[in-house]
Amino acid sequence: SYVLTQPPSVSVAPGQTATISCVGGVLQFLKIHWYRLKPGQAPSLVIYDNSNRPSGIPERFSGSNSADRPTLTIRGVEAGDEAYYYCQIWDYGEDAVVFGGGTYLTVL
Amino acid sequence: QERLAESGGGVVQPGGSLRLSCAASGFTFSVHGMHWVRQAPGKGLEWIAVTWSDGSKSHLAASVRGRFAISRDNSKNVLYLDMHELRAEDTATYFCARDYSPVGLQWKDLWGQGTLVTVSA
Repeated sequence: SYVLTQPPSVSVAPGQTATISCVGGVLQFLKIHWYRLKPGQAPSLVIYDNSNRPSGIPERFSGSNSADRPTLTIRGVEAGDEAYYYCQIWDYGEDAVVFGGGTYLTVL
Repeated sequence: QERLAESGGGVVQPGGSLRLSCAASGFTFSVHGMHWVRQAPGKGLEWIAVTWSDGSKSHLAASVRGRFAISRDNSKNVLYLDMHELRAEDTATYFCARDYSPVGLQWKDLWGQGTLVTVSA
């Protein structure tokens, strides 16, 4: 089974680039999805299938999955981006959804 | 407008039971796999269960297997989570989420606001 490890926190200044990793074994053949969760709000999808943005998500958000190190990148970080971010896969061996532990993005 | 609305949360004693509901509107409910995901206080997201679009198959997380059951009524556009033998560690906000695919293997593109379940004596 997979365990997805994310850094607990990432801090960047406004306008800078935030990078959030998701590590957990051999992931390069899996599809990685990313969600944002703000306190008191419903989670929302920000990246699906490694690098695709849903409608309404700005181009500042991008994702990649190379060398078994899925990454969410947020360029030109804004105060409104402050939130928890979670990576997620489907574990075919366990027939289960697996979430990473979450990363809190702080905008300094 | 596409929407998911959970209900049924509340305070329940350890060992008790509770049924959560998730009402779907604004989209064709019967073609999507559906999930329950929870978030305990101060913790991250934990996946609980998925059911296929036609309700013919479901999978549950090991932490709730044998105690929880997921089901759906496509005629009413409602997803359910039946929870039994509740424990303090089941205390969490429970979210329902729509899967892009019928079998629940893809991304979750619509989420409800959640309903809080508190297990306490």
